[in-house]
Order: sequence, then C-alpha cells, then structure tokens
Amino acid sequence: QQQVKQSPQSLIVQKGGISIINCAYENTAFDYFPWYQQFPGKGPALLIAIRPDVSEKKEGRFTISFNKSAKQFSLHIMDSQPGDSATYFCAASISGGSNYKLTFGKGTLLTVNP
Amino acid sequence: NAGVTQTPKFRILKIGQSMTLQCAQDMNHNYMYWYRQDPGMGLKLIYYSVGAGITDKGEVPNGYNVSRSTTEDFPLRLELAAPSQTSVYFCASTDRGRLVGSPLHFGNGTRLTVT
Repeated sequence: QQQVKQSPQSLIVQKGGISIINCAYENTAFDYFPWYQQFPGKGPALLIAIRPDVSEKKEGRFTISFNKSAKQFSLHIMDSQPGDSATYFCAASISGGSNYKLTFGKGTLLTVNP
Repeated sequence: NAGVTQTPKFRILKIGQSMTLQCAQDMNHNYMYWYRQDPGMGLKLIYYSVGAGITDKGEVPNGYNVSRSTTEDFPLRLELAAPSQTSVYFCASTDRGRLVGSPLHFGNGTRLTVT
C-alpha cells in the first residue's frame, strides 16, 4: 500500500522554466510534509517542508503548495537551473507519538537543460 | 562535524554471504533509520530505532537484522545475502527534541551488489 504517490517519475525542463512535482497522500493523520533533494552518489537532503496549517511556503526559488482537502501537495521550482537537476522525493510523517518515521514517494528525476 | 557516516561505500557479495553495513552519527540523535533505495521505487524503510536498545521493523525488514547498543551506532546485518538485496542502503538520523516535524539527516549510502 503506497501511502504517498508522487508524479511525474521524470521531468525535463528548460533553464529558466518552472518545474512542478506533485504528491498525494492517503493518511489524514500526516502532519508534516518535507521535500528532499538527492544528487547522484549522495544521500537525500532536506530542501523545504510544510505543515498543513498553511497553504504555501516559499524559500527562495522553491515553493510548496498544500491542499489539505484534496490531500495533495506540490513542489514548484521557479527559474529552474541546471544545478537543480537531481532526484526529488516528497515525504509525509505523523509528528506525535514515539514511532516517528517518514514515508517517501517514489521520486522524480528532474533534468534542467541549459 | 561528520554527521552520518556509512561504511563501506561499495561492496560486492556472493549469494549466501553475510555482511554488516556500518552507520555512525555524531549529532547525539535519538532516532536512527535504515532505508533501501531501488530505481524508481523510492526509499523503503527497513528498520528503525528510537533509542539505544530499542529497534522496530519498517516496511521491508525480511532478510535483515539490526542492533542499537549505543546512541551513535546503528549497524545493519545481512545474514544470507540474496540478489533481491542488491540496492543502495541509506542510514539516517534525527533529533526528536523538536516539537514539530524532524528532518532526517542521511549518510551518503552503501551500494551493495549480490551476485
């Protein structure tokens, strides 16, 4: 049972364009939604995160949009650069309780062409 | 500050062999995790630990074992390697002292091939 569904699997964008990656979740108990960025040969690293009490969070060129009623959230990368080429993972977790763990989407391979 | 350190970086095993993937963190984090990453399949949780002496199964624990005798170390043991265990393994940790959400800090992975 896949609790976090991510699309598309791969994405090609021209430099300066907007990259959009979407995720949908099933468990309404999720209350923390991070995005991770992974470069080849490296581990994933936290990029940006959001809680469901806000609909949008922006950090530089990266924005998370959150739709609680639709149980969906998305990552927008404005003015995409070749250096943004990486694999992006959405994730979700439940903050309360002792068994804290992240559930990840399957990932999106982003290629930004110069 | 080294963060999360995984060794070895690469390993080739023959079917039936055993090995231990090492993971150490120097951030005094309570929680530690082992994930495996397969192409197009994302990150699957194998085992996790909420503190020294406490471990629990994740989504795909079969064929693996873990122990957590110290806060710093969380080794992953493969007893009888199988080709299905060919994957990239990531160790991660987090500090659950924060109230809301806790980012995971990942190591750079161990690439394991079983032939």
